[in-house]
Amino acid sequence: QVQLVQSGAEVKKPGASVKVSCKTSGYTFTGFFLHWVRQAPGQGLEWMGRIDAYSGATNCAQKFQDRVTMTRDTSVSTAYMELNSLKSDDTAEYYCAVSLIPVTDVRAFDSWGQGTVVTVSS
Amino acid sequence: DIQMTQSPSSLSASVGDRVTITCRASQGISNYLAWYQQRPGKVPELLIYAASTLQSGVPSRFSGSGSGTEFTLTISSLQPEDVATYYCQKYNSVPFTFGPGTKVDIK
Repeated sequence: QVQLVQSGAEVKKPGASVKVSCKTSGYTFTGFFLHWVRQAPGQGLEWMGRIDAYSGATNCAQKFQDRVTMTRDTSVSTAYMELNSLKSDDTAEYYCAVSLIPVTDVRAFDSWGQGTVVTVSS
Repeated sequence: DIQMTQSPSSLSASVGDRVTITCRASQGISNYLAWYQQRPGKVPELLIYAASTLQSGVPSRFSGSGSGTEFTLTISSLQPEDVATYYCQKYNSVPFTFGPGTKVDIK
């Protein structure tokens, strides 16, 4: 079955960087885009960006373009999201997600990682 | 970028009630819309894609409709396990923006 397993919780100081991993299994990693979504405490879902797991090409939400790096390692079917210059309002749960729905042009996220809590505090 | 709005932001209804949530896009997105349910403390789950197609395993009391700029999610008979926040999301093009969410609880 499809699994997306994320790395564990992180505590970082303002100005630092964090790198979250998303190890996938149960599907052809290079056949799909892998997305990153975050959720601040008590807030809604925020799409951060996506990576084409085949080519490595990325698209990012404008607010994160200067601070987010998305990469992947196809040899271990794992995607990574690195967020730089952390601020307190980057404290959130970070999710990876993928759309595996076999319908043309449908890109809704039917599989999600379990989430990684990142806390930014001095 | 296209903005997504939802109304109401929260609602309280009785078990068995019909519940309707509206999602609006600032520009037309055809039917490239998904609905998600996020129960308290849980990972979001896909309910509906292509505006009206029920994801496998989702109870038939959930339904979606709409196209273009206005969409609705309906729960035909609210159940206790439906207490959650519901989000719409556009996926016609990046960014794949989510709506702000609608919190549903039991009266």
